[in-house]
Amino acid sequence: QKEVEQNSGPLSVPEGAIASLNCTYSDRGSQSFFWYRQYSGKSPELIMSIYSNGDKEDGRFTAQLNKASQYVSLLIRDSQPSDSATYLCAPRPFNTNAGKSTFGDGTTLTVKP
Amino acid sequence: DTAVSQTPKYLVTQMGNDKSIKCEQNLGHDTMYWYKQDSKKFLKIMFSYNNKELIINETVPNRFSPKSPDKAHLNLHINSLELGDSAVYFCASSQGRSPSGANVLTFGAGSRLTVL
Repeated sequence: QKEVEQNSGPLSVPEGAIASLNCTYSDRGSQSFFWYRQYSGKSPELIMSIYSNGDKEDGRFTAQLNKASQYVSLLIRDSQPSDSATYLCAPRPFNTNAGKSTFGDGTTLTVKP
Repeated sequence: DTAVSQTPKYLVTQMGNDKSIKCEQNLGHDTMYWYKQDSKKFLKIMFSYNNKELIINETVPNRFSPKSPDKAHLNLHINSLELGDSAVYFCASSQGRSPSGANVLTFGAGSRLTVL
């Protein structure tokens, strides 16, 4: 089983719709959860972090975490063409010394005008 | 002022050659990483250094050798380059010790290596 699994893409949504990106992880010890966005030809950049069960909202982005189900998701409301990118999920176990930063394989999102 | 800078940005070379990629961060972070992103866009960790000490060494051929002269620099040397080494190599840094701080990675712009 992979450490981190993301819903296979590519994912295509119309402009203005909600895009839902999902991620499951195998390490029950994971405490911190991060979503990175990577535009084509660019480097990944952090867009959301979540540490507690429940929802965390930041503008049009909502991260949802369910540690019992080992599941974390990212919702993008009112999707814009500028949201078209690959989204990478990165859970982090608590006891790792300085962090083995493992990424999921990414979900590529295309928002069509 | 670029936070994590890598050089060169592009590197085209022949099989069998030896090449190096350099990385520097001015964020004062404790930990630096090398990641490889292949043509399928999978981002895989290769190495991690914390305060010049190697702490993560994934299954990577011995031809790859990282070097960290100080905590602000992490270089990657590759011997006897092979076709399969063609990829984008990303350097990253993080403030390592805090569980909530670590894994907030700041990436460099990447170095695209093409082996012919």
